[in-house]
Amino acid sequence: EVLLVESGGGLGQPGGSLRLSCAASGFTFSTYEMNWVRQAPGKGLEWVSYISGGGNTIYYADSVKGRFTISRDNAKNALFLQMSSLRAEDTAVYYCARGRCSSTYCFFDQWGQGTLVTVSS
Amino acid sequence: DIQMTQSPSSLSASVGDRVTITCRASQYISTFLNWYQQKPGEAPTLLIFGASRLQTGVPSRFSGSGSGTDFTLTISGLQPEDSASYYCQENYSTPVLYTFGQGTRIEI
Repeated sequence: EVLLVESGGGLGQPGGSLRLSCAASGFTFSTYEMNWVRQAPGKGLEWVSYISGGGNTIYYADSVKGRFTISRDNAKNALFLQMSSLRAEDTAVYYCARGRCSSTYCFFDQWGQGTLVTVSS
Repeated sequence: DIQMTQSPSSLSASVGDRVTITCRASQYISTFLNWYQQKPGEAPTLLIFGASRLQTGVPSRFSGSGSGTDFTLTISGLQPEDSASYYCQENYSTPVLYTFGQGTRIEI
């Protein structure tokens, strides 16, 4: 069974940092692209960041570029999101999501349960 | 950047109804369009990819259509468990941006 379990959420200070983790199991982690997606309270989904299976291709949404860093440890089946220079508008549930492609179509086929990040003084 | 616009933002329907949600892209995206369902308090789940391809395990009452800029998600024979928010997502952008629509909430 595929499992994605996020951790590391909590209260962060404006201008501060937090590090999110996503523990993966039930599949060959290194062969899959991974993503972070967030959802502000009562709002819709926002894609945050992408990392390829080997970790050498990375993309960010403009809203987090220069402040967030995505990484992965394939030996430990783990995905990370280092969040710095936190802002109130970063308050959201953060999901890790497995990316998969079928033919030329790519999508997120497995999601974690999410971890809540609250940015407030 | 590509913008994704869904309509309506919410709707109320009855069990057994046929419901259609629309998603419009601000520019051409061929059939690089996914649909997700999110029930309250839960993570999203994939319903449809490639505009019309049903994800394994998704009930056949869900269907998707469209290409270019205009897409629809149809639920034929609405069930109580279909009460949820639905999001479209493009995967056409290069480099990837995976932009989501703002969501449509279905109340039964």
